[in-house]
Amino acid sequence: SQQGEEDPQALSIQEGENATMNCSYKTSINNLQWYRQNSGRGLVHLILIRSNEREKHSGRLRVTLDTSKKSSSLLITASRAADTASYFCATVFITDKLIFGTGTRLQVFP
Amino acid sequence: DAGVIQSPRHEVTEMGQEVTLRCKPISGHNSLFWYRQTMMRGLELLIYFNNNVPIDDSGMPEDRFSAKMPNASFSTLKIQPSEPRDSAVYFCASSSLLQGKVKETQYFGPGTRLLVL
Repeated sequence: SQQGEEDPQALSIQEGENATMNCSYKTSINNLQWYRQNSGRGLVHLILIRSNEREKHSGRLRVTLDTSKKSSSLLITASRAADTASYFCATVFITDKLIFGTGTRLQVFP
Repeated sequence: DAGVIQSPRHEVTEMGQEVTLRCKPISGHNSLFWYRQTMMRGLELLIYFNNNVPIDDSGMPEDRFSAKMPNASFSTLKIQPSEPRDSAVYFCASSSLLQGKVKETQYFGPGTRLLVL
């Protein structure tokens, strides 16, 4: 069963705008990861945040984690058409088993 | 590095036929994962191996599914007999599990798109 639920399911924005996606999960975690999937392709790892971290940045990506609320958010700043993809959060509990969320489909219009 | 290699990329077969999906992980990685992705159920972990040993196969839907990893550079996922509800995209991923540490990043292959008629 899926651990994470993502919100919104779909998001459409204009180039240059920021995109925010949220992920909620159910159990304690060791770390939480975000992946991107372009249409018809495999998933690509974007960023990892550990349970003892609250915020992490990587380029135009900013991830926050609130373990008390069991939630995370992914912010993409100054979005580009090339950011159009599905974005998934994935949680890691004890082993190296990833449990993926339902995903957010992001459409960035030029 | 070539990344994770999967074959075939597309497979169309008839119900009842045996299907074998193949995966070559990234050289040096010691963990391998098989996932299935559908619109209805999203991305599901089927089974994963560590050092060629199956660790967790709780996601394998039923006995029709089997997976093997005879060596560090090759794994197969077999469906016998196949059914229309097995139609999905099957992904293989690999990672490097450091001694005593939880794995971090998984590297995904391009997937095999399976259609069972």
